[in-house]
Amino acid sequence: GAVVSQHPSRVICKSGTSVKIECRSLDFQATTMFWYRQFPKQSLMLMATSNEGSKATYEQGVEKDKFLINHASLTLSTLTVTSAHPEDSSFYICSASMASGGNEQFFGPGTRLTVL
Amino acid sequence: GDSVTQMEGPVTLSEEAFLTINCTYTATGYPSLFWYVQYPGEGLQLLLKATKADDKGSNKGFEATYRKETTSFHLEKGSVQVSDSAVYFCALSGSNSGYSTLTFGKGTMLLVSP
Repeated sequence: GAVVSQHPSRVICKSGTSVKIECRSLDFQATTMFWYRQFPKQSLMLMATSNEGSKATYEQGVEKDKFLINHASLTLSTLTVTSAHPEDSSFYICSASMASGGNEQFFGPGTRLTVL
Repeated sequence: GDSVTQMEGPVTLSEEAFLTINCTYTATGYPSLFWYVQYPGEGLQLLLKATKADDKGSNKGFEATYRKETTSFHLEKGSVQVSDSAVYFCALSGSNSGYSTLTFGKGTMLLVSP
């Protein structure tokens, strides 16, 4: 149980376009979802936290207008990278936690974004 | 704020060698502690966790003990395998506005050779 999926696993796009990444909890209701960014050979940086039905809380330094997060249901959150630039190329990982699951987060497999 | 410090890698070992990856933390209150493993090109998988002082988390031959007196959570394995090659992240969870957030260390790459 507690499986989280991400789609797509890899995406290549042109500079200036927007890309949407989906994060789904497959077998549980995720009251909170988290979006992380991971640079090569570095740790995960928390970008934002979202609760179902409310606006996401962004970490300091993360542009909310560039990284749009929607948590419309208890099983789906989306991250949209708007007007992508090469410096947005990274590995994006989501995680989800459930109301009854204490403080454990379940991670998706990640999405590799490459902006040309 | 909360922070996690891990030993820098890569850690290079021969198969069947003993593994220790050091992790120390700074946090207010009583955080839970975690070790995650990331295989190449994949997301993170929870390896083990401990929720209170003196708890020992264990899984797949890996162990770590929550030491509050030394604020440490070192990862150990008695005999590593080539398949253990991955990046290992130590993390702690704190509370923020009613939900838990994770603070990660920078990760330690483990390379095991036959």
